Amino acid sequence: SQKIEQNSEALNIQEGKTATLTCNYTNYSPAYLQWYRQDPGRGPVFLLLIRENEKEKRKERLKVTFDTTLKQSLFHITASQPADSATYLCALGRTGTASKLTFGTGTRLQVTL
Amino acid sequence: GAVVSQHPSWVICKSGTSVKIECRSLDFQATTMFWYRQFPKQSLMLMATSNEGSKATYEQGVEKDKFLINHASLTLSTLTVTSAHPEDSSFYICSAPSSYTDTQYFGPGTRLTVL
Repeated sequence: SQKIEQNSEALNIQEGKTATLTCNYTNYSPAYLQWYRQDPGRGPVFLLLIRENEKEKRKERLKVTFDTTLKQSLFHITASQPADSATYLCALGRTGTASKLTFGTGTRLQVTL
Repeated sequence: GAVVSQHPSWVICKSGTSVKIECRSLDFQATTMFWYRQFPKQSLMLMATSNEGSKATYEQGVEKDKFLINHASLTLSTLTVTSAHPEDSSFYICSAPSSYTDTQYFGPGTRLTVL
């Protein structure tokens, strides 16, 4: 069965450092992978999308990589700030499925001063 | 950016009653909307795909007679939890896909508590 795992349930880092979150999947051939941010009691907010033929995408302090051989995506937040503290979800999708997404378990990031 | 709203944001009801949750796309049209359920410290689980003008498509294991979905217009989908029980208590979130990309716009969620 399909499985999407994110490296750890929680990640604590110091302000200014780079946070690296991992998303691994099995029994799935995604056409694209997305990262979302979710704050407590709120719906997810889209951050980045990377397609199967792309290796890396950047947006401001965010960077995502996608390795379809390793079946893994890495999500980096550079110069992290306390405001980056949230749960980050990876989600996989295929073309022709009307944008249907399968979500990972999420990683709760805590950035401390 | 596109905005999706949900109403109510939270609801408490007695066991056996029915609860309706609305999902609206405020500044764009959505022929498809998705309904998710999220239990504490767990990920989003897709319940069903709501299709404007036709029947919803339910994921395996989701009871269609218990979770009634109606997509009455291009901007409104409703989820009705019928004969709610305490185990239905959860965070229900809807989303609508972008017309131009493969991303989704999520509503703020509805916290349902069944006593």
